[in-house]
Amino acid sequence: QVQLVQSEAEMKKPGASVRVSCQASGYTFTSYYLHWVRQAPGQGLEWMGRIDPRSGDTNYAQKFQGRVSMTRATSITAAYLDLRRLTSDDTALYYCVRAQLGGRTSPFELWGQGTLLTVSS
Amino acid sequence: QSALTQPASVSGSAGQSITISCTGSSSDIGSSNYVSWYQQHPGKAPKLLIFNVYTRPSGVSSRFSGSKSGRTASLTISELQAEDEADYYCNSYTTSSTFVFGSGTKVTVL
Repeated sequence: QVQLVQSEAEMKKPGASVRVSCQASGYTFTSYYLHWVRQAPGQGLEWMGRIDPRSGDTNYAQKFQGRVSMTRATSITAAYLDLRRLTSDDTALYYCVRAQLGGRTSPFELWGQGTLLTVSS
Repeated sequence: QSALTQPASVSGSAGQSITISCTGSSSDIGSSNYVSWYQQHPGKAPKLLIFNVYTRPSGVSSRFSGSKSGRTASLTISELQAEDEADYYCNSYTTSSTFVFGSGTKVTVL
C-alpha cells in the first residue's frame, strides 16, 4: 500500500526546535521528490520546501531559509523536517507530500495524514 | 515569494458553472506551465485536481478544467454539485525552483 505515515502531534515552547518524521512505504522511495506543506488553523496551504530522496538535495521557501532542514534516511525510507526557533506562528498542521512523478516540477499527489504542531508557552 | 491571489469565496447554484481565478507574477504563473489545482474538504488532506495547467489526473471528474492566460490561471467547475463545496488552492512552480500556493477559495453551492 502506497502511503506516507507521519509522526504524532507535538507541543513545543517558543524558541524550541521540532522534528517531524514521514515514513514512506509501497513505492520506490528514491524515485519521487518529497515536499513539506503546512496549514495554520483556518488558513491556507504554505509550501515549505522539498527534498530529492535520491541525492538529498533540497530547495526551501525563502521564508524558512536558515530555520529549516529537510533530510532523509534512504535505508529506512523516511524523511524528516526540522524546524528551529519556533514561534506561535509555527502552530500548524504539517504535511509530508510525495510528488506525482519523478520530475522537479511534478505536482503534489500523495499526502501524509499531517502532524499537528502547537507552539505555546 | 508572496502567495498567489485567489478570490476568498465563490458561489454558485447546483448545475451552474463557476470559475476561480489565480493571479501571480512573471516569476511564477507568468513563466510556468506547471500550474496545479487542489481541492480540500474540511478536515481532509488536499486532493490534486489539475496539473500542468490543463491536465486532469485519472479519476478526476471532467467537470473540472484548467486554463491559463498570462499571469492568471483559472479553474472552472461545470455542472456544480453539492460535493464540490470545498476549499480550492492553486499552485505554481517558480523561476527560483520553488513552489507557491494561492491564498485559497471557498466554494459554496447554493
